[in-house]
Amino acid sequence: GDSVTQMEGPVTLSEEAFLTINCTYTATGYPSLFWYVQYPGEGLQLLLKATKADDKGSNKGFEATYRKETTSFHLEKGSVQVSDSAVYFCALSAKGGNKLVFGAGTILRVKS
Amino acid sequence: SAVISQKPSRDICQRGTSLTIQCQVDSQVTMMFWYRQQPGQSLTLIATANQGSEATYESGFVIDKFPISRPNLTFSTLTVSNMSPEDSSIYLCSAAQGDYGYTFGSGTRLTVV
Repeated sequence: GDSVTQMEGPVTLSEEAFLTINCTYTATGYPSLFWYVQYPGEGLQLLLKATKADDKGSNKGFEATYRKETTSFHLEKGSVQVSDSAVYFCALSAKGGNKLVFGAGTILRVKS
Repeated sequence: SAVISQKPSRDICQRGTSLTIQCQVDSQVTMMFWYRQQPGQSLTLIATANQGSEATYESGFVIDKFPISRPNLTFSTLTVSNMSPEDSSIYLCSAAQGDYGYTFGSGTRLTVV
C-alpha cells in the first residue's frame, strides 16, 4: 500500500541555520504530496503542497519540490527561527483515493 | 479554504463511558475524515465519512466502537464508545477541499481515567 517515510527526529538547530527534513514515498500512480505543521497543543496546518512532478510548493520560507525520479518531497528552509519549532508531517494523497497517508512526523527544535 | 470548528477541545472521561466529538465546517464539503493521534505518534485514519452513506472504516477500527454520523455536507460527529485508557489520544476531523488540499479541525484531546 501507499506509505510515507520521514527522517527521524528530533532535529535540533540553531536560529538561522539551514533546514532539511527528508521525505520519501511509495505510491501507485502520481499522488499529491503535502507538508503539514503541528505547533504545540494545536491541530494540523497545511504548510505547502505539490500535485505533480517537478512542482515546487512554498510558504513562509519553506520549500519542497516533487521529485518523481527519486519519489521524494524534502522540506527545506534557508534560515529557521525559534517560532518554527513544531512537528512536521509529510503526507500523500493518491489520485482518486482521497484519504491522506501520513509519515511518522519529525520534531524540529530551534534554539536561539 | 474552509474552517472547521471542532469540539470539545479536550475532555477527561471515565472508563466505560462514551464521548461524542463534533465538527462543523463553514462550507459544504463532500468528504470528511476522522483521525486518531496517539501520544507522540503520527495520525492514523479511523474512517471516511460521506454524506448520505455509511462511513468507511479502516482496518482495526469498527463501527460499534467509533460510530460516525454525517447528516449533511457541513457537519459530522465521531463517538468513542465504551472508553478505556487505551483510547486516550487526540482525535482530529478533516475535510477534503480539492485544490486546497485538506483542512483539519483543532483536535480533541481525550484522556480516559
